[in-house]
Amino acid sequence: AQSVTQPDIHITVSEGASLELRCNYSYGATPYLFWYVQSPGQGLQLLLKYFSGDTLVQGIKGFEAEFKRSQSSFNLRKPSVHWSDAAEYFCAVVNNAGNMLTFGGGTRLMVKP
Amino acid sequence: NAGVMQNPRHLVRRRGQEARLRCSPMKGHSHVYWYRQLPEEGLKFMVYLQKENIIDESGMPKERFSAEFPKEGPSILRIQQVVRGDSAAYFCASSPSLAGGRDTQYFGPGTRLTVL
Repeated sequence: AQSVTQPDIHITVSEGASLELRCNYSYGATPYLFWYVQSPGQGLQLLLKYFSGDTLVQGIKGFEAEFKRSQSSFNLRKPSVHWSDAAEYFCAVVNNAGNMLTFGGGTRLMVKP
Repeated sequence: NAGVMQNPRHLVRRRGQEARLRCSPMKGHSHVYWYRQLPEEGLKFMVYLQKENIIDESGMPKERFSAEFPKEGPSILRIQQVVRGDSAAYFCASSPSLAGGRDTQYFGPGTRLTVL
């Protein structure tokens, strides 16, 4: 069965600093991977996804993620964080049948002024 | 193009009552998924439905929970005889099709259920 691990439960960065959120997955075949962001009390918004092709994918709000098969990782990055990026970030993988997303536990990002 | 709609956004029930959560998928989407998010946890898959069919309910609790997606109208997640442990945020997602077996799911704002 697939699984997703987000090792960092909380991360605090200063505004303007760079950001990397870690995601490791376990999946038997080629994974389809996603990053979602959840603001307090809100639903999940898709940031970006990887299905195939270029291993560096660009998303909305200046985010990008790199798929590394050898490390089973799909880390999310942003070169300069804004205060509005404070939220919870979830990495997810979808199963072969395409009907079930498995989520990591989430990383809560706080941004210092 | 309206996104996934869920109502109510907040629902309070007393133990033993029934909770009905509604989800209208994005226009053109025929696949609906329900997920539950317990406090301080990630989302867990519950059920996947197409119109008038339950395709995968492997994440649904065996008792008290049911889901439907009728030919007309929204998808309904129904919880009978609610208990305090049912307090959670319930999210609905939809997708247009399973292109090649997998597609992107778009999420609604969620229904936050509180059981007193």
